[in-house]
Parts: sequence; structure tokens; C-alpha cells
Amino acid sequence: DAGITQSPRHKVTETGTPVTLRCHQTENHRYMYWYRQDPGHGLRLIHYSYGVKDTDKGEVSDGYSVSRSKTEDFLLTLESATSSQTSVYFCAIRHLGGPYNEQFFGPGTRLTVL
Amino acid sequence: GDSVTQMEGPVTLSEEAFLTINCTYTATGYPSLFWYVQYPGEGLQLLLKATKADDKGSNKGFEATYRKETTSFHLEKGSVQVSDSAVYFCALAIVDRGSTLGRLYFGRGTQLTVWP
Repeated sequence: DAGITQSPRHKVTETGTPVTLRCHQTENHRYMYWYRQDPGHGLRLIHYSYGVKDTDKGEVSDGYSVSRSKTEDFLLTLESATSSQTSVYFCAIRHLGGPYNEQFFGPGTRLTVL
Repeated sequence: GDSVTQMEGPVTLSEEAFLTINCTYTATGYPSLFWYVQYPGEGLQLLLKATKADDKGSNKGFEATYRKETTSFHLEKGSVQVSDSAVYFCALAIVDRGSTLGRLYFGRGTQLTVWP
């Protein structure tokens, strides 16, 4: 258990509304990631963070923004949700100290955009 | 670019059968390789890993060997159980100490169902 929680765990919203998902970690990890999981695509990286206020885009970042104002929280915002953003969203952290780049995942948030 | 190609499922087996899920990769550097497992309704859990050629990762009866010559990391288990029913993801990460990203590249996942 890497001490990662995500909230909410489930959300249903309507097209055009803003949505914010929260990832919270308790172990002071520097690197945090947001992925989305869709059938037939595996997991795809949306955004990542390498420190407080240090973030960058992943491969599917359009329509998403992130913020990290403190080490323990990494927020993912959909400014105006669309049906194509219906997905399961996973947050992950990366341990430092080894060469493996292995990541540990939160339980996920299932988002439905109607 | 870096990528992972994973055997498509679903895979359906009887309990105690032998399991193989194929995974091949393309990488420009020297990747670390992983298998993750996702049980229904849960997040991904790291199942096993290997960091260099000929390494064998193992956990819970599952094994995978890092084969550089065939760029493969196939997952195997000699005798599956009903409790192994899950989605399995192969993934790679490029070991680049100068990079801040450390991203993982995932395969599409393979659904395994084991019947009693």
C-alpha cells in the first residue's frame, strides 16, 4: 500500500460541467501521475508532476489541466467535461531511490459524462 | 518510439491449467519491464518486474523472463487458480536517470478468466 487515495471514487456529471478529481498521498513522493484507462487502450498518461508546482503534459492531455500546490495533493481538472472523457482515472506515484521507475497506483475514479 | 504489444484476450482457462500471456516491446533505451494485475473494481498492482536482460521476475507463482534477443517479457504460471482471474498489463519504463518523467508505457491488457 503506497498510501494513495483518490476522490471521488465515482462521479456522474453532465457535458460542459467542470470536474476536479483529487489524488492524495501520505508518503511525500515527489513524482505523481494521472492516467486514464479505456477498453482497448490500456493506460495512457494525461499529466504528471515532478514537484510542487512542477507539472507537464502526457500523451492525452487535451481537455485536462492539473495543479499541485502541495506535495501530497495532485488535482486533475476537466474544465468542460465531454462524453469522450468518460473513463476510469488512476493516479500513481513513483518511488525514488532505485533505477526501476516502478509506479504504484491508487484505487481509481470512475467518471461518467452524460 | 517506445511501446508494448500484448497478447489480446480474453483468455479463458480451467483451474490448474498453464498460463502464458505474451508481451513484446520496442524501446530505444534500456527498459525495465513490469507486469501489473488489476482485479475487478480495483487499481493496478505491481505483480513482478525485471530490470535487465535475462532477469527473471517472479511473484505468487507467476514468472516472466526479460529476453533482450526477442524483446519479450512473457508472463507464465504453471497452475492457475480461480483467484487469478483479473486483467494483466505488461509495461515498460526507460531507465534514464537524467529524465524527470519516468513514465510507463502500457500494453492494452489481457483479461484472464479461470473456471473451477
